[in-house]
Amino acid sequence: KAGVTQTPRYLIKTRGQQVTLSCSPISGHRSVSWYQQTPGQGLQFLFEYFSETQRNKGNFPGRFSGRQFSNSRSEMNVSTLELGDSALYLCASKGGTGGPLNYGYTFGSGTRLTVV
Amino acid sequence: SQQGEEDPQALSIQEGENATMNCSYKTSINNLQWYRQNSGRGLVHLILIRSNEREKHSGRLRVTLDTSKKSSSLLITASRAADTASYFCAPVGGDKIIFGKGTRLHILP
Repeated sequence: KAGVTQTPRYLIKTRGQQVTLSCSPISGHRSVSWYQQTPGQGLQFLFEYFSETQRNKGNFPGRFSGRQFSNSRSEMNVSTLELGDSALYLCASKGGTGGPLNYGYTFGSGTRLTVV
Repeated sequence: SQQGEEDPQALSIQEGENATMNCSYKTSINNLQWYRQNSGRGLVHLILIRSNEREKHSGRLRVTLDTSKKSSSLLITASRAADTASYFCAPVGGDKIIFGKGTRLHILP
């Protein structure tokens, strides 16, 4: 079966712009989580969506937002980009209905965002 | 949710040797998961060990869990160049995974 698909793979944006990243989970998976990875902070949890509802949220400013559609595809949006938003953004999907209590996550290859 | 702490931060070994990475955590867990990340790519789920299990094997991987010491170890036997990657443990006690800094493993030819 197809894996988790993230688009685009690479993106260059200018400070102050906004950006939308997309994630298509494995077919049948309803949970999608987003992570930001930087060399300094490592992997940081952004948020999780399940059945179109945000179920968990990390400690990121309101400039970071997301949503999930009825087909479980998810998007995250970052408004008013800052240089520090340059990172690898990873999404992960999971089967089942609960949290990661019984299943591991399947990650996409990520979107490399560079803010200049 | 809690974060695991991997040790060592970096490890270099010769191809063919065994690599051992450790993970410590602070509170009770339901399970503990290990992931691998090749440079610039997404994470790959390696293995999940439940809190009532002490050891689990998957191919060249062996994971142990000691809930009394709140620690886990990942052993990779007969290492290969392709094992060069970062390895993350994820102690799961809640409804999301918080990752630590990982162990960077470098297999030398």
